[in-house]
Amino acid sequence: DSGVTQTPKHLITATGQRVTLRCSPRSGDLSVYWYQQSLDQGLQFLIQYYNGEERAKGNILERFSAQQFPDLHSELNLSSLELGDSALYFCASSFQQGQGGNTDTQYFGPGTRLTVL
Amino acid sequence: DAKTTQPPSMDCAEGRAANLPCNHSTISGNEYVYWYRQIHSQGPQYIIHGLKNNETNEMASLIITEDRKSSTLILPHATLRDTAVYYCIVRAFYNQGGKLIFGQGTELSVKP
Repeated sequence: DSGVTQTPKHLITATGQRVTLRCSPRSGDLSVYWYQQSLDQGLQFLIQYYNGEERAKGNILERFSAQQFPDLHSELNLSSLELGDSALYFCASSFQQGQGGNTDTQYFGPGTRLTVL
Repeated sequence: DAKTTQPPSMDCAEGRAANLPCNHSTISGNEYVYWYRQIHSQGPQYIIHGLKNNETNEMASLIITEDRKSSTLILPHATLRDTAVYYCIVRAFYNQGGKLIFGQGTELSVKP
């Protein structure tokens, strides 16, 4: 158990809908990262937040957005869903924001499996 | 970002050491080598990381060559539960925020 929690575990929805995925980081961690894993693209970095502020952005679609709240949990919002958005979505957390060293090790949650029908 | 090259698959006998190689010939001086593994569709699990010295923890050992262009992850006594995809990642920090860039990894099969 990494200490990172993600809800829900599974989500089935229809095209065009909007969903929210939730992540609670390990106690004390300030950084939250979101990753998407699809069959054809592998594991891809989406976005990072550190202490409530956006820190880095990856291949995140404009239909997707995220935020980190004062209690440090994070939500990933996916809207106008398409079939191709079906994937595993992982959240990871670390203490630091990217300076290097042991406190920057990322620990992953169990993921949310999103199925768009 | 530095790229890594790993063999797509490897087999290992249970109880033997599993040696997983990784090439990262374009690694920069401030980039770390990280190893993660993913069992089935579970969240990636952190194994070990290093900058230039060899490292060991309760899970594995990491051997980095002196020129830092390649490394080997060693699982000393592989068990069936070590069957997973192993990712070698070269990680840049500071301006890039420390994101992990995953390649295709090595699918390790531990056989009885």
